[in-house]
Amino acid sequence: SQQGEEDPQALSIQEGENATMNCSYKTSINNLQWYRQNSGRGLVHLILIRSNEREKHSGRLRVTLDTSKKSSSLLITASRAADTASYFCATVITGGGNKLTFGTGTQLKVEL
Amino acid sequence: SAVISQKPSRDICQRGTSLTIQCQVDSQVTMMFWYRQQPGQSLTLIATANQGSEATYESGFVIDKFPISRPNLTFSTLTVSNMSPEDSSIYLCSVGVHLRAEETQYFGPGTRLLVL
Repeated sequence: SQQGEEDPQALSIQEGENATMNCSYKTSINNLQWYRQNSGRGLVHLILIRSNEREKHSGRLRVTLDTSKKSSSLLITASRAADTASYFCATVITGGGNKLTFGTGTQLKVEL
Repeated sequence: SAVISQKPSRDICQRGTSLTIQCQVDSQVTMMFWYRQQPGQSLTLIATANQGSEATYESGFVIDKFPISRPNLTFSTLTVSNMSPEDSSIYLCSVGVHLRAEETQYFGPGTRLLVL
């Protein structure tokens, strides 16, 4: 089974609002990463957070990681229509080399 | 960051035939990976393409169905053999890169395959 479960599965918000997506995983990790995918195309790497980090920021993105709860969240602030995409978390499992295990994904729709 | 291209970008194939997908990177990379993304689903790792040796396949994927070549450090191919409609998916290659001293992956644009 996949390492990560994400919720919500789908999220629809208005432009300017914040969007929060959550990811849970099952085993010990080296790091957790978030990717964006537009309309079934290639994935774009957004941000990486190490297992010993609790929070990271990149532009309008804020990622948190709680290893005790095996969960992460991605916050997109002041959303734009161009943020409409699917968002996936992916983990590098401890002892798993550099293989990524992807979550189920959240479909975000930002409406004008 | 690495620039990755895939050919073809999409194809429609008849069942029973085979399709070879190419992945080209603009720089030498050690690790290359192939993923499948079934309609509406997340990504599943098919195999790690190793340069100079056989690919390492994940559980549920076999070499006879998904033969992989990795002739050098900038190129790899994935063949989807004896296709059936269940093979309709997006196939993506990725390359391993170092980011902030951590391993991550950059992805190609994907190949969208429809099997009739």
